[in-house]
Amino acid sequence: ETGVTQSPTHLIKTRGQQVTLRCSSQSGHNTVSWYQQALGQGPQFIFQYYREEENGRGNFPPRFSGLQFPNYSSELNVNALELDDSALYLCASSLVDEAFFGQGTRLTVV
Amino acid sequence: AQSVSQHNHHVILSEAASLELGCNYSYGGTVNLFWYVQYPGQHLQLLLKYFSGDPLVKGIKGFEAEFIKSKFSFNLRKPSVQWSDTAEYFCAVRGDGNKLVFGAGTILRVKS
Repeated sequence: ETGVTQSPTHLIKTRGQQVTLRCSSQSGHNTVSWYQQALGQGPQFIFQYYREEENGRGNFPPRFSGLQFPNYSSELNVNALELDDSALYLCASSLVDEAFFGQGTRLTVV
Repeated sequence: AQSVSQHNHHVILSEAASLELGCNYSYGGTVNLFWYVQYPGQHLQLLLKYFSGDPLVKGIKGFEAEFIKSKFSFNLRKPSVQWSDTAEYFCAVRGDGNKLVFGAGTILRVKS
């Protein structure tokens, strides 16, 4: 176990809906990153939060947004869901140089 | 932009065979390199990492990797695989900022 927990573990949404995924980081870790892992691919960087500020963003549209809270937990929000958003969403927390990953949220958009 | 290429998507080996998984990256600056493993039903775990110094790094469970700067490579090796090594292996590079750029992964199946 890494100490990084994500909820929910599985989720089914309809195209056009909005979804919020949650991540509780490992104790003391002030940096949280989110990744999207489509089937058969490696994780792709969505964005990173450091002390409640976005600190880097990958090639994802603005309908992917996030938050980090004072306790360093984080949310990933996706608006106007599309079928291609179906994927495993991974959260990783870090303090210095090593990222610890949660088990992910499997999102299916129908 | 950084990119990572893993040479094989599927590898099947018998127990006790030697393993080498290829990884090449594209980035002109200083990089940090990682190998992660994902066992069935489990989260991504760090196998080993290279930041600087000795280019041959040793990780957990008998894995090692060699950084060859001139070849932009960071291949993963294990002298003798076990059935429990069946998993998906990801090579990743960190260059600009703190984001990790992952390869597409290699699925290793070890036959007992």
